[in-house]
Amino acid sequence: AQSVTQPDIHITVSEGASLELRCNYSYGATPYLFWYVQSPGQGLQLLLKYFSGDTLVQGIKGFEAEFKRSQSSFNLRKPSVHWSDAAEYFCAVGAFGGSTLGRLYFGRGTQLTVWP
Amino acid sequence: DVKVTQSSRYLVKRTGEKVFLECVQDMDHENMFWYRQDPGLGLRLIYFSYDVKMKEKGDIPEGYSVSREKKERFSLILESASTNQTSMYLCASRAQSSYNEQFFGPGTRLTVL
Repeated sequence: AQSVTQPDIHITVSEGASLELRCNYSYGATPYLFWYVQSPGQGLQLLLKYFSGDTLVQGIKGFEAEFKRSQSSFNLRKPSVHWSDAAEYFCAVGAFGGSTLGRLYFGRGTQLTVWP
Repeated sequence: DVKVTQSSRYLVKRTGEKVFLECVQDMDHENMFWYRQDPGLGLRLIYFSYDVKMKEKGDIPEGYSVSREKKERFSLILESASTNQTSMYLCASRAQSSYNEQFFGPGTRLTVL
């Protein structure tokens, strides 16, 4: 069965510090992976996605993620965090076969706090 | 840009009331989804729809139903609202071709008293 684990419920970093948010997935076929961000009181916005090809994916707002098949991971990184990055981050794996066409399986999210 | 709108940002209802949550997308997407979001639980899929008049149960369909009479509109219905349905409800849409991502609305925060 498909599942996503985000081991860190809450992370706090100082502004300007580097960031890595962890994501591990379980999926029987080739995974299609996504990172979304949710600012307070808002819907989810796509940061980046991985379908195939280069395992290092660039996204919006200076984020990147690396797909590592051997570790079943898709960790999100940013070299220097800004106060506006404070939000909740969700990793998701996509199921694109048969009756599950198009649905996503989400992790429980990681809340990011940024200290000034 | 894709736009997904939800009829209300905040809604307060009483136990036993019938509640309608409306979602409209403007990009002619075939697939639409309803999720509920609760702290520490992430997003859980309630129902989704491949196309007009089609629907599939998600992981937590109990206590909910849906309607999709037009391609752009997907409604979530709480037949008899209960306090444990107090939550944030998120709607999303997606183009069926290829492996496109889902686009989300701003959410409706429903409180059932």
